[in-house]
Amino acid sequence: GQNIDQPTEMTATEGAIVQINCTYQTSGFNGLFWYQQHAGEAPTFLSYNVLDGLEEKGRFSSFLSRSKGYSYLLLKELQMKDSASYLCAASYGGATNKLIFGTGTLLAVQP
Amino acid sequence: EAGVAQSPRYKIIEKRQSVAFWCNPISGHATLYWYQQILGQGPKLLIQFQNNGVVDDSQLPKDRFSAERLKGVDSTLKIQPAKLEDSAVYLCASSLDPSSWPQHFGDGTRLSIL
Repeated sequence: GQNIDQPTEMTATEGAIVQINCTYQTSGFNGLFWYQQHAGEAPTFLSYNVLDGLEEKGRFSSFLSRSKGYSYLLLKELQMKDSASYLCAASYGGATNKLIFGTGTLLAVQP
Repeated sequence: EAGVAQSPRYKIIEKRQSVAFWCNPISGHATLYWYQQILGQGPKLLIQFQNNGVVDDSQLPKDRFSAERLKGVDSTLKIQPAKLEDSAVYLCASSLDPSSWPQHFGDGTRLSIL
């Protein structure tokens, strides 16, 4: 199978930095997505990495190492509204772009 | 640009009953996906359409689940008969084509089976 592993829960303090790690199986891998999902809402797209390295987008950055099957999402200057589940999803299957999601990391930002 | 529309938002039924969900993708998006998200888990792909044809339904429990996209635009997902383990949020997503990203998600239908 194509298992995606990420921590179940994390807690961080407002204004701090938090890193959410994700590992995936490399066979047939296309690219790596991060989505944010607030309770009762749709997943919303945060980032997409297909090449090795760091992609920065405002307070959020995402890193990919294809050889290691590893990615992380970095959230800076945490705000209370960042409390949500963060879903790591790997794309497989060539042109069909099948997404396999992890179970999500529930991030709680505390004052 | 209007997002992916889904209805109903919530549905409560008893086991062995049937239920249907509706999805209208973003205009012009040829690819449509149905996902099942059980509480505490990530979304799991049930079926993927390209226009009105099925691309992948390998994880669709075909003895009870069916889906169609007859005119290549909106889609319905049906469960008949429902089981307790079908309690989940059913998410619809769309993209321009299978290789384009990201997939845009609707708010989902929360299904509770009593």
